[in-house]
Amino acid sequence: SQQGEEDPQALSIQEGENATMNCSYKTSINNLQWYRQNSGRGLVHLILIRSNEREKHSGRLRVTLDTSKKSSSLLITASRAADTASYFCAPETSGSRLTFGEGTQLTVNP
Amino acid sequence: NAGVTQTPKFQVLKTGQSMTLQCAQDMNHNSMYWYRQDPGMGLRLIYYSASEGTTDKGEVPNGYNVSRLNKREFSLRLESAAPSQTSVYFCASSPLVQADTQYFGPGTRLTVL
Repeated sequence: SQQGEEDPQALSIQEGENATMNCSYKTSINNLQWYRQNSGRGLVHLILIRSNEREKHSGRLRVTLDTSKKSSSLLITASRAADTASYFCAPETSGSRLTFGEGTQLTVNP
Repeated sequence: NAGVTQTPKFQVLKTGQSMTLQCAQDMNHNSMYWYRQDPGMGLRLIYYSASEGTTDKGEVPNGYNVSRLNKREFSLRLESAAPSQTSVYFCASSPLVQADTQYFGPGTRLTVL
């Protein structure tokens, strides 16, 4: 299994600003998933992007994938205080189970 | 449809005591997982069960045992709790073990004194 590495470790922004988090991985993937974890809760699946996709949107979320650079980014537009959470990426490799990194802790200040 | 449920939500143990954490899912998923999460860290896999009747070690299995009781239930047992096992424990399930979306329970916060 392959673990993604999220960057930055922590991010603090004002409400209404955009938040960008990055994920890097080491080997070829089939898909890549992003999850959110609110404080004290379990992870919640946000979005999955396939290796043949470059960009995917879901509401205020925009995910990009650059397989040549082995990296992905998660953009949250017009952030809200409720977006305060940790965000994890999980690269999918054939025949392997998901592995989670340490995440990016996002704080959105009112 | 409750998803993944865990009991108890909170537990305090003394060193050396034993306990079992319960997990159940109602999504007819084949695979189930137990993770621990320590402050400021990501999730570390303790054990997983790819399908009913099978269990495998994850990254940090020492000090734990698991039972896949049936397709719905996957329990985690601490035979002799140690302070190093103070953590938040999450159960998750997925349709398949290979690179499939995982659904998480709300967690059990365990403190070992």
